[in-house]
Amino acid sequence: AQTVTQSQPEMSVQEAETVTLSCTYDTSESDYYLFWYKQPPSRQMILVIRQEAYKQQNATENRFSVNFQKAAKSFSLKISDSQLGDAAMYFCAYRTLSSRLTFGEGTQLTVNP
Amino acid sequence: ETGVTQTPRHLVMGMTNKKSLKCEQHLGHNAMYWYKQSAKKPLELMFVYNFKEQTENNSVPSRFSPECPNSSHLFLHLHTLQPEDSALYLCASSQQDRNTEAFFGQGTRLTVV
Repeated sequence: AQTVTQSQPEMSVQEAETVTLSCTYDTSESDYYLFWYKQPPSRQMILVIRQEAYKQQNATENRFSVNFQKAAKSFSLKISDSQLGDAAMYFCAYRTLSSRLTFGEGTQLTVNP
Repeated sequence: ETGVTQTPRHLVMGMTNKKSLKCEQHLGHNAMYWYKQSAKKPLELMFVYNFKEQTENNSVPSRFSPECPNSSHLFLHLHTLQPEDSALYLCASSQQDRNTEAFFGQGTRLTVV
């Protein structure tokens, strides 16, 4: 069974600084997809960024980027120039084409002004 | 707005009540999901429907009864719940067999008194 682990229940960052959230996963599949979701206090789960395992290039979306290490089964999220609106719970997730999403436990990010 | 709408947003019910949660998606997806999110706990997948057929039931108590009349609508019928069932219930949809993410509704905050 696939598992997703986020080892940091809570993280904090100063506004305008950079923070990295960790995620590791366990799978025997070679083709899969990884996601980072954000859940702000409004509770809406919003997709932040996605990565296809067959792509070697790390995905980037504006201030958000990932460090995808397939051999190490690691998928960390880097948030640059952190903003107050980035404060939220962040979930790492995994799926294959035929499976549903498996989520990690989440990391609560606090952004300090 | 993600294209997935849940109603109601908040629900308070007694342990002897019967109520239903509704989820509707206008994204043309063929898979829908119910998740339970309790405080300090990971997201728990409850039910999965593919093409209106239930494909997964993760040992959910029978006091939760899902219904998927068509691929756009998903219900969760609630009956004789317990206080520990108080949680945020999230609905999501996705297109199976494609490398797309799941889209989530804003959730129903359920309180059982």
